[in-house]
Order: sequence, then C-alpha cells, then structure tokens
Amino acid sequence: QVQLQQSGPGLVKPSQTLSLTCAISGDSVSSNNAVWHWIRQSPSRGLEWLGRTYYRSKWYTEYAVSVKSRITVNPDTSKNQFSLQLNSVTPEDTAMYYCASGTNWKFHYWGQGTHVTVSS
Amino acid sequence: QSALTQPASVSGSPGQSVTISCTGTSSDVGGYNYVSWYQQHPGKAPKLMIYEVSNRPSGVSYRFSGSKSGNTASLTISGLQAEDEADYYCSTYTSSGTFVLFGGGTKLTVL
Repeated sequence: QVQLQQSGPGLVKPSQTLSLTCAISGDSVSSNNAVWHWIRQSPSRGLEWLGRTYYRSKWYTEYAVSVKSRITVNPDTSKNQFSLQLNSVTPEDTAMYYCASGTNWKFHYWGQGTHVTVSS
Repeated sequence: QSALTQPASVSGSPGQSVTISCTGTSSDVGGYNYVSWYQQHPGKAPKLMIYEVSNRPSGVSYRFSGSKSGNTASLTISGLQAEDEADYYCSTYTSSGTFVLFGGGTKLTVL
C-alpha cells in the first residue's frame, strides 16, 4: 500500500514560488513501475492535472501546457520523495494541491492535500 | 481545453441504481481506454473507483461499474447506500498538451 505525505506552506505571496513536497512510503520514487503526479483543485478551475515524473532507465517529466512555463516537478531519490515548484504565482493559483501516484493516467493513491492560498 | 461534461447532480433512493455520464471527444474519452472515476467526500482527497473504463481497484465495491460507448463514459452505482453520497469525477488521457482532462464533477444525493 503506497502512502503519500505532503508538506509545504499554505500561504504564498504573489509573484513568489509555491513549493510542496510529497514523501513516499510503500514504494520507491525510482520504481520502474510507478508514476508520480501533482494535481490541484479549486472551485473555479475544478480538478487540474499539473505534471508528472517517472523513472524508466532515466528520468522523465511532463507538464500541462497551462503551467508548463512555470512548473518544475523533481524527484529526490535520497529522501524517496518528489516535489512541486510553481513560479510567479498569482491568486489564480490558490487551490488544494494533491500529490498522487498511478500508471496509465489513473491516480490510485493520493496525498492528504495542501491548501495553498496566494495572497499578500 | 474544455473539461469533460458531467451532469451537475444526480439522485436516487437507497437500493436504486444511478448512472453518471462523462462526455468528451474522439481525442480523449473516445480515443483511449484510460477513463477513470473518482469519489470525493467533503474535505477528503479523491478516491479511485474505476480505472481503464471498467476496472475496479482492490477494495472497491462491486456495486460500482464503468463502461464506455463512443465519446461517452458512464459510471453506474447499483444498490445505492447512504455512504455513496459524494461528488464523482471522471478523467481521461487526452492527446492535447493538457495530457489529462477531468470532468466538472457530479454531486450524488442519496434520498
């Protein structure tokens, strides 16, 4: 059973960088059978997939076109976790952020969620 | 790109069956067998109920089933129970740069 534990600040100032971490237990971030995702949810935008990272002999990342210029998803093999960085945030980025895992575009395991507010 | 289209709400009495639809296009729902369904209770993370159109993860009740016809996928919940009351979302892979589309969500009320 995979468990995902999120951490990171709940308040970010406009134009700054949103940073969240997702610690993995029950699997390895480097597993050749796993894919690691970030998804957010807000009343205005609904559920929105942001990006993913996975290892298949080398690391791959893919991002949604809506955030591609501002997002980085990085694995951290030393801590068995992965992270989300979203630059130049605006109030439109206020949302509940989830990490998740799953292959073939399904999201089987979810973190507990982190509500991030973008406000000065 | 627009979200997948779901009805805003459905309702049913205990023991009845309800079906929630999820309509997309040939570039997403109709083109790939990657439709998933999620149940979300208030204040909780979504829970995977159906994946790859009609497969149930271990631990999900047999009362939940999925299907697809053309560009529309469906989630059917049979033998409705009070604990099924929740929001339900569909998702699928899309060949657009978005990679994933979600539906707008359907609120299920058990009367």
